[in-house]
Amino acid sequence: DAGVIQSPRHEVTEMGQEVTLRCKPISGHDYLFWYRQTMMRGLELLIYFNNNVPIDDSGMPEDRFSAKMPNASFSTLKIQPSEPRDSAVYFCASSWVTGNIQYFGAGTRLSVL
Amino acid sequence: SQQGEEDPQALSIQEGENATMNCSYKTSINNLQWYRQNSGRGLVHLILIRSNEREKHSGRLRVTLDTSKKSSSLLITASRAADTASYFCATDASAGNMLTFGGGTRLMVKP
Repeated sequence: DAGVIQSPRHEVTEMGQEVTLRCKPISGHDYLFWYRQTMMRGLELLIYFNNNVPIDDSGMPEDRFSAKMPNASFSTLKIQPSEPRDSAVYFCASSWVTGNIQYFGAGTRLSVL
Repeated sequence: SQQGEEDPQALSIQEGENATMNCSYKTSINNLQWYRQNSGRGLVHLILIRSNEREKHSGRLRVTLDTSKKSSSLLITASRAADTASYFCATDASAGNMLTFGGGTRLMVKP
């Protein structure tokens, strides 16, 4: 298996633009997690899915953020409109069961100018 | 708030020396995991220790867990320059929550 695949690896956009981050989890994994990493706040869990259903989105910072998982092999994290404070590295991870080992993608480095 | 807190925040050692990182957490856990993150990369799982275990080894890694003190330590023996990375502890709370990561320890191993 190729592991968790995220795209794009880098995204530079202007404030107010819509940003869509994509993730393909490892085949067969039941859980998918979206994290945000910054120097100030460390690694924060934004939302996670179980069998394509959102379970906990309490980490989503505000209504500008939304996440979907239309099928077991694809998830998106959308920011609309984007703001400079959204600049961070966004990671997707997947696992078989909660609390078990998580496999991370390489991340998307987002810069909002 | 973060469940796990690593100490020290940064550590610099010479190749061949041992590196010890500590993690403290606040609530009861099912297991505790350690992850490594190389610069510009995602996190990679290193080792998992369950709440009923006290020590675990994997190659040059040794992890201890003291549930009475709510703390864990990661020891890397005979460090190499390639061990330079950030190391994170992550806890799986007994309430069945997802993993909560600490702030990490940045390790630099000088050749």
